[in-house]
Amino acid sequence: SAVISQKPSRDICQRGTSLTIQCQVDSQVTMMFWYRQQPGQSLTLIATANQGSEATYESGFVIDKFPISRPNLTFSTLTVSNMSPEDSSIYLCSVLPVSNTGELFFGEGSRLTVL
Amino acid sequence: KQEVTQIPAALSVPEGENLVLNCSFTDSAIYNLQWFRQDPGKGLTSLLLIQSSQREQTSGRLNASLDKSSGRSTLYIAASQPGDSATYLCAVESGGYQKVTFGTGTKLQVIP
Repeated sequence: SAVISQKPSRDICQRGTSLTIQCQVDSQVTMMFWYRQQPGQSLTLIATANQGSEATYESGFVIDKFPISRPNLTFSTLTVSNMSPEDSSIYLCSVLPVSNTGELFFGEGSRLTVL
Repeated sequence: KQEVTQIPAALSVPEGENLVLNCSFTDSAIYNLQWFRQDPGKGLTSLLLIQSSQREQTSGRLNASLDKSSGRSTLYIAASQPGDSATYLCAVESGGYQKVTFGTGTKLQVIP
């Protein structure tokens, strides 16, 4: 398994500002992902964070809006840029441990409210 | 395109009752299926992972089954407790490496 720490756990932000969410894992993992969960909805994959290279974004998500970094095997950041109320969601970091059984593990999430 | 459906969307049961949550998927060519629970405003906790070659997995009072041919999985919770109250999500990996599709979840309330 993997223990995942996400910061901040919640924040209230003003329209037009940007916020960076951090994800720290207690052990090396093969893959890290960022998901969004809008109110009352299920999870949608934003991107796969690739170590040392640009993230792989899913359809509908772009790097300018959601820049992602992954400088090493245990840490990643997601920035939500130029926020609008529609960005109010829970953002979740997920990892695939090196055991690679296919089992995903999630952080506690970052609840973001944009006014 | 894989679609994952969970029925019912919400369920309320008295404490002690055995219950079944359902998960259906449209593309049977899956790698695995995973069940999670999510407490309000929190992240996801992994409950059980079933590989495509397996029929079921058990952990404590939880038992998950998988029938790929019919595109169904069930999560059986025995002797439900108020602490089981949460939203339960199933997620299917298919259509490419680490391509995971989540269901919309079943919100469970166990009444003391």
